[in-house]
Amino acid sequence: DSGVTQTPKHLITATGQRVTLRCSPRSGDLSVYWYQQSLDQGLQFLIQYYNGEERAKGNILERFSAQQFPDLHSELNLSSLELGDSALYFCASRRGGAATNEKLFFGSGTQLSVL
Amino acid sequence: SQQGEEDPQALSIQEGENATMNCSYKTSINNLQWYRQNSGRGLVHLILIRSNEREKHSGRLRVTLDTSKKSSSLLITASRAADTASYFCATDAYKAGTALIFGKGTTLSVSS
Repeated sequence: DSGVTQTPKHLITATGQRVTLRCSPRSGDLSVYWYQQSLDQGLQFLIQYYNGEERAKGNILERFSAQQFPDLHSELNLSSLELGDSALYFCASRRGGAATNEKLFFGSGTQLSVL
Repeated sequence: SQQGEEDPQALSIQEGENATMNCSYKTSINNLQWYRQNSGRGLVHLILIRSNEREKHSGRLRVTLDTSKKSSSLLITASRAADTASYFCATDAYKAGTALIFGKGTTLSVSS
């Protein structure tokens, strides 16, 4: 158990809908990362938050947004969903924001299916 | 865009054999990490090697790093069926090290 909790584990929705994925980082970790994993694109970095503030942005679509709350949990909001958004979404955490010698701890992911 | 690219994409071996996976990357790094993913599950950190290190060991894992060639290799010795998983390298070159960028991974199948 990595200590990172993601809910829900599975989500099935329709095109055009909006969903929210939730992540609770390991106790004491200030950074939360969101990744999207699909067969064709591999593991894509979406966005990072550190202690409530956006720290780095990757290949995140404008239809997607995220935030980190004062209790450090994070939510990834996906709107106007398309079939191509179907993927496994991972949250990962680590203690620091820019420490390059730290490993990431991954949650078990949310499998999103857009029908 | 992918920073690290693993090679081969897929590898099938017998139990007891060694498995070698390679990773190439494009820009300078501070460190390189290897992760493992069992089917559909979260990634688990295996080992980290810093840019000033050339080789590192952890149990049956051996990682090498050649910064002049911008490449790394992961060797798993005496493979077991339980080693069946996907293996990813990750580099920290993005946004001054704030984010790890992963390659597409090598899928390893170890048959008994």
